[in-house]
Amino acid sequence: DIHMTQSPSSLSASIGDRVTITCRASQSIATYLHWYQQHPGKAPKLLMSAASTLHTGVPSSFSGGGSGTDFTLTINNLRPEDFATYFCLQTFSTPWTFGQGTRVDI
Amino acid sequence: QVQLQESGPGLVKPSETLSVTCGVSGYSITSGYFWGWVRQSPGKGLEWIANISHKGRTYYTPSLKSRLNLSFDTSKNAMSLRLSSVTAADTAIYYCARSGSSDWPDCFAMWGQGTMVTVSS
Repeated sequence: DIHMTQSPSSLSASIGDRVTITCRASQSIATYLHWYQQHPGKAPKLLMSAASTLHTGVPSSFSGGGSGTDFTLTINNLRPEDFATYFCLQTFSTPWTFGQGTRVDI
Repeated sequence: QVQLQESGPGLVKPSETLSVTCGVSGYSITSGYFWGWVRQSPGKGLEWIANISHKGRTYYTPSLKSRLNLSFDTSKNAMSLRLSSVTAADTAIYYCARSGSSDWPDCFAMWGQGTMVTVSS
């Protein structure tokens, strides 16, 4: 199985800040890496697919990058609704595996 | 507008079979896309369970494969998950989801709201 490691596991930030979350794969996954946002009690929402493709309706304040084993999700100009938990998902091979999540707190 | 809606028993006894259904509206489930299941244990992360193509080909996570069965109920335009011999470790929110690509399991682009299943006697 491909192991996905996210860092940090949590972070505190303020409105207007820029934050970066990283996801590292235990082996190369090309760009089969996707980012999700989850608010408490809600289903995950796709933010970014294929490492850097913004999903429909997602604000351009979100950006993603990377390939191979190292990936980043950057949120510019943090808004109140961005405080949530973020997960990465690799779909290079089954079993698909998620990172453990990064909680972004105020 | 395509929508996914999970339904489940809420409570299942240990050693019994968990059965969860994902009803789909706005799209015929056997016309395209890959469909799948993800679960989230209380306070924990996300775990991929399985995918099924619109043609019925299944992909199961190895740790659950011996207990899992995915199928379509075309009369209800729904997808079903059955997990046998459950234990407390199977307590989780079960989400169904659909791929972003109609002919490739790229990622889960659309999700249901999830259904909580508790395994307890």
